[in-house]
Amino acid sequence: RKEVEQDPGPFNVPEGATVAFNCTYSNSASQSFFWYRQDCRKEPKLLMSVYSSGNEDGRFTAQLNRASQYISLLIRDSKLSDSATYLCVVNLAEADKLIFGTGTRLQVFP
Amino acid sequence: ETGVTQSPTHLIKTRGQQVTLRCSSQSGHNTVSWYQQALGQGPQFIFQYYREEENGRGNFPPRFSGLQFPNYSSELNVNALELDDSALYLCASSKTGRLDNEQFFGPGTRLTVL
Repeated sequence: RKEVEQDPGPFNVPEGATVAFNCTYSNSASQSFFWYRQDCRKEPKLLMSVYSSGNEDGRFTAQLNRASQYISLLIRDSKLSDSATYLCVVNLAEADKLIFGTGTRLQVFP
Repeated sequence: ETGVTQSPTHLIKTRGQQVTLRCSSQSGHNTVSWYQQALGQGPQFIFQYYREEENGRGNFPPRFSGLQFPNYSSELNVNALELDDSALYLCASSKTGRLDNEQFFGPGTRLTVL
């Protein structure tokens, strides 16, 4: 079983749509959780951290369910510029190393 | 821009050769992590360097080795290159000791092994 699993997509949605990505992780000792965004042929960049209480940053909402070992990302009012791959990432407590999922590709069309 | 730089940007090698990739960390960061990203996959953790010592390693063979220098810059060395080593190699710098550790990635080095 992969340490971090994501639906690879692609998700093709029209502008203005709401889209949700899910991710599961296998290591219950995982301490920190993130969503990174990666544009085509570019480096990953932190989109947002994910907190136990859930958190929101503008059109983006992240949720964490530790009991189910599940993380989600909700994007409201999708923009063309949201087209990218979204990587679910967990940080293991014993070392500052990030475990990445395969990524979910989002394509927003006009 | 994150302030993390990598060189070279692209590299072509043949099987069996050796390669050295370089990374300069962001100012104020003392930890460098290296990742391999194959096409269509997420980045995979290779190893991390903190205070010039290896501080954690992923599932990569010993022919992947590294160094960190007193100025916190780092090198990734790969010996006896194989075709499957073709990938984007990313380094990320961070401040260790933080649980909500944000890592800042460089633009990567794209390695092609023929």
